[in-house]
Amino acid sequence: QVQLVQSGGGVVQPGRSLRLSCTASGFTFSGYAMHWVRQAPGKGLEWVTLISYDGSNKFYGDSVKGRFTISRDNSKNTLYLQMNSLRPEDTAVYYCARGDYLDWGQGTLVTVSS
Amino acid sequence: EIVMTQSPATLSVSPGERATLSCRASQSVSSSLAWYQQKPGQAPRLLIYGASTRATGIPARFSGSGSGTEFTLTISSLQSEDFAVYYCQQYNNWPDTFGQGTKLEIK
Repeated sequence: QVQLVQSGGGVVQPGRSLRLSCTASGFTFSGYAMHWVRQAPGKGLEWVTLISYDGSNKFYGDSVKGRFTISRDNSKNTLYLQMNSLRPEDTAVYYCARGDYLDWGQGTLVTVSS
Repeated sequence: EIVMTQSPATLSVSPGERATLSCRASQSVSSSLAWYQQKPGQAPRLLIYGASTRATGIPARFSGSGSGTEFTLTISSLQSEDFAVYYCQQYNNWPDTFGQGTKLEIK
């Protein structure tokens, strides 16, 4: 069955960096665009970024543009989110999701705090 | 960006009864509307896409309707496992945007 297994996350100080990973199985990863979606504690869902199936196109929400970078390695069936210049308002559970939003990772908590 | 507004914020319904959740878009999104269910500590689960098509494995008691700017999710006979938070999402215009959620609680 389809699985998206996330890793990374944790507590980081403001201004520092963190990288999240999302490893896919059970479907042809290289055939799908992939998203990152986040959810601040007790809040709703916010779309963060999208990468096309081959990595040639990337889109970012205004709140992370210029600070976050999405990438993928289709040979490893893995999606990445490099988060730089982190701010307290980036504190959230981050989810990876397949392009059609049918399947989601389990989520990983990123806490930005001094 | 398109703003999605859900109502009510909280809905109290008894098991076995019908629940009706609403979602309004700030401009037309055609039928590019999805509904998700989220339980505490879990990832969202896709219920409905294309405004009215149930995702794989979703029970028939879940139905979606609407187009343009007004959408409805109906749960025909609430089961205990249906009490959760529900989000609508438009994917007609970039960026994809979500509503703020409706919490469906047991009355």
